[in-house]
Amino acid sequence: GESVGLHLPTLSVQEGDNSIINCAYSNSASDYFIWYKQESGKGPQFIIDIRSNMDKRQGQRVTVLLNKTVKHLSLQIAATQPGDSAVYFCAESSGNAGKSTFGDGTTLTVKP
Amino acid sequence: EPEVTQTPSHQVTQMGQEVILRCVPISNHLYFYWYRQILGQKVEFLVSFYNNEISEKSEIFDDQFSVERPDGSNFTLKIRSTKLEDSAMYFCASSVKRGGETQYFGPGTRLLVL
Repeated sequence: GESVGLHLPTLSVQEGDNSIINCAYSNSASDYFIWYKQESGKGPQFIIDIRSNMDKRQGQRVTVLLNKTVKHLSLQIAATQPGDSAVYFCAESSGNAGKSTFGDGTTLTVKP
Repeated sequence: EPEVTQTPSHQVTQMGQEVILRCVPISNHLYFYWYRQILGQKVEFLVSFYNNEISEKSEIFDDQFSVERPDGSNFTLKIRSTKLEDSAMYFCASSVKRGGETQYFGPGTRLLVL
């Protein structure tokens, strides 16, 4: 079956540093990838997405990179702030499959 | 900004009791989903719903679960006879389209089965 996983369960960075959160997926048919941020006690919040016909997409302070060759996805957060502290999930969906398959999550802690 | 809402925010129930979790998706969205998240674990897909029918369901979504869109705005998840292992956060989500589109999540209902 398909699976989505993250390389590290926790990541701690200093305020102002850049953060990189990684994710590996197994389903080569996946064509849509999403990064979600989940703060304590809240639902997943959309951050940025990327389709399989792209290898990079930038948002405000965030960049998602997709390497289909090695089935790897990463989220880069520039100038990380304390408000970025949360659990980050990558998720994928494929074609007409409406569901999102989530990875395990990386807990990002930003130290002041 | 439109958002998905869910009620109640917390629900405590006795094992074997029925619970109904309620969601109001974003008004122009056509696809609706339920997910659950056991404490400390990843978010797991339960069911998707479109045009008053279940589109897809996971192995978790057994005969104890059902979904309904009783009117033009609400989307409900019913658990007929709750088990201890049903304790989790339950998230509703909605999207405009089915695949390859952003799903917007509600704040969740924390269900505790005693």
